[in-house]
Amino acid sequence: DVKVTQSSRYLVKRTGEKVFLECVQDMDHENMFWYRQDPGLGLRLIYFSYDVKMKEKGDIPEGYSVSREKKERFSLILESASTNQTSMYLCASSLDTVRKTQYFGPGTRLLVL
Amino acid sequence: DQQVKQNSPSLSVQEGRISILNCDYTNSMFDYFLWYKKYPAEGPTFLISISSIKDKNEDGRFTVFLNKSAKHLSLHIVPSQPGDSAVYFCAARSRGSNYKLTFGKGTLLTVNP
Repeated sequence: DVKVTQSSRYLVKRTGEKVFLECVQDMDHENMFWYRQDPGLGLRLIYFSYDVKMKEKGDIPEGYSVSREKKERFSLILESASTNQTSMYLCASSLDTVRKTQYFGPGTRLLVL
Repeated sequence: DQQVKQNSPSLSVQEGRISILNCDYTNSMFDYFLWYKKYPAEGPTFLISISSIKDKNEDGRFTVFLNKSAKHLSLHIVPSQPGDSAVYFCAARSRGSNYKLTFGKGTLLTVNP
């Protein structure tokens, strides 16, 4: 079974703080993704990575950065958290195959005060 | 510009009856479609997928139908069970992208006992 883990289930931060969200997958997947889920907006892609040290912007990258130093780990960084970044953050990974099924972690619910 | 649309935010059905969740898309380059199920406070889990070369794929109680000419797909759940109550996301992959999935906004299915 594929396992994708996220460092925290719930996080409370203050406006202006630097926030790190960590994601680890144990299936040697090439691709990793960060999404945020908001009511009425579905899942929106923030960033993705198709290899170590490689990254591409998704649909809503503003205010975020990412880091992928090792294949199994993909970090999402909020350089200066703002209240509009309060959301559910979901990490996913996938093999580089035709099927491209993405496997998701349990999510981190972030509250920025 | 929403390329994957789930026009029904919610659906309520009786246990034992059929649930039909609909999804429309606008991008002709989409060639692979997936359905995910999401419980509150958990990450989405992959349910079923279909390639654009097929018009039907079945897995137990779940069947996905694809009508390419109408750019429409649907997920049928028969018979519906209370444990099926969740948010269902439709997702699509573009032929031009090896990695990205585009998600709809989701439909909340409630199965009443």
